[in-house]
Amino acid sequence: DAKTTQPPSMDCAEGRAANLPCNHSTISGNEYVYWYRQIHSQGPQYIIHGLKNNETNEMASLIITEDRKSSTLILPHATLRDTAVYYCIVRIQGGSEKLVFGKGTKLTVNP
Amino acid sequence: DTGVSQDPRHKITKRGQNVTFRCDPISEHNRLYWYRQTLGQGPEFLTYFQNEAQLEKSRLLSDRFSAERPKGSFSTLEIQRTEQGDSAMYLCASGVQVSGNTIYFGEGSWLTVV
Repeated sequence: DAKTTQPPSMDCAEGRAANLPCNHSTISGNEYVYWYRQIHSQGPQYIIHGLKNNETNEMASLIITEDRKSSTLILPHATLRDTAVYYCIVRIQGGSEKLVFGKGTKLTVNP
Repeated sequence: DTGVSQDPRHKITKRGQNVTFRCDPISEHNRLYWYRQTLGQGPEFLTYFQNEAQLEKSRLLSDRFSAERPKGSFSTLEIQRTEQGDSAMYLCASGVQVSGNTIYFGEGSWLTVV
């Protein structure tokens, strides 16, 4: 089972920041938080990941709370092309280190 | 384009037929994963290879499913005696065996069983 909880859906206005929350209260000390998104009918696209520090790349920023029990993915200037299902995943360490997906958050960016 | 390619992208088959999907991972990646995704659900893990060894299989992988990675490069997923419930998108992903590394997905292969 997925170790994360996300709201099923969110809306955001085009050009505004989209802040997607994720709870992972049972995360272990060496487990990373990963974010992927999936645009309709395509494979999941990697966005960003982090362990304990905040991370930023060209797509997004990841803010992880100090206790690591929750995180927020920030898309600074959402566009219509950011409409997708966003998955927050706590990655199992050791063995296959497979990704276990939940249902994610359906983000709709409105014009 | 992540560098993980899957073929075919779409397959329509009659119930009872066998189908095979191929995945070519990113060339230096020794880890390879297969997932299945049905409408409205997140991807579900099916199986994992490290090089040519199949090290983990989900209970979702029934006896009709078999996956191989003969030379540790490309992989195939075969479904025998397809059923309508096998209709789904089959996703392949690859990564390297380094903690904290990223897994990259292909675009998926859509299967429709009629």
